[in-house]
Amino acid sequence: QKEVEQNSGPLSVPEGAIASLNCTYSDRGSQSFFWYRQYSGKSPELIMFIYSNGDKEDGRFTAQLNKASQYVSLLIRDSQPSDSATYLCAMSRGGSNYKLTFGKGTLLTVNP
Amino acid sequence: NAGVTQTPKFQVLKTGQSMTLQCAQDMNHNSMYWYRQDPGMGLRLIYYSASEGTTDKGEVPNGYNVSRLNKREFSLRLESAAPSQTSVYFCASNVNRNNSPLHFGNGTRLTVT
Repeated sequence: QKEVEQNSGPLSVPEGAIASLNCTYSDRGSQSFFWYRQYSGKSPELIMFIYSNGDKEDGRFTAQLNKASQYVSLLIRDSQPSDSATYLCAMSRGGSNYKLTFGKGTLLTVNP
Repeated sequence: NAGVTQTPKFQVLKTGQSMTLQCAQDMNHNSMYWYRQDPGMGLRLIYYSASEGTTDKGEVPNGYNVSRLNKREFSLRLESAAPSQTSVYFCASNVNRNNSPLHFGNGTRLTVT
């Protein structure tokens, strides 16, 4: 089992809807969790990170972390066609280890 | 402030040829990384360097070597390219602290024929 599993998608939502992207992880030592967005042919760009249980909101984006259940999710409210991209979940153990382990990504399409 | 700069952007090699991918960052980051990205496989770590003078293997190191030339530069070398190394390669960097996100270069698209 890969360390980081994402819902494989592709995920298609209508414009204005809520898009929900999910990620589970196997390493209980994971400390920090990141969501990246990657447009086709471009490099990944950070959307947000979370390290405490609960919700963290930034504009239309909300990250949710549940360490007991080992999942992290990203909600995109009022989805726009410009949100169409691949979303990558990643995590790091922290301590003296700062490398990130990535999931395979979920392709999101927002239909006008 | 250029961030993370990778060269070249595109490269075509024949099987058995060698090449070096260059990466430089101007953000004074301690750690640097090389990932490859293949369709359906996500980003997989090849090698990383937690600080100047150290390098470690990642998930898929076979067929690659790296050099951390100084704090700014981290190069990836393919000694004898194989078609299985056709991929998009990303260099990234971050600081040595918790919750530190990766900053990525624009990628190198490599094709080995």
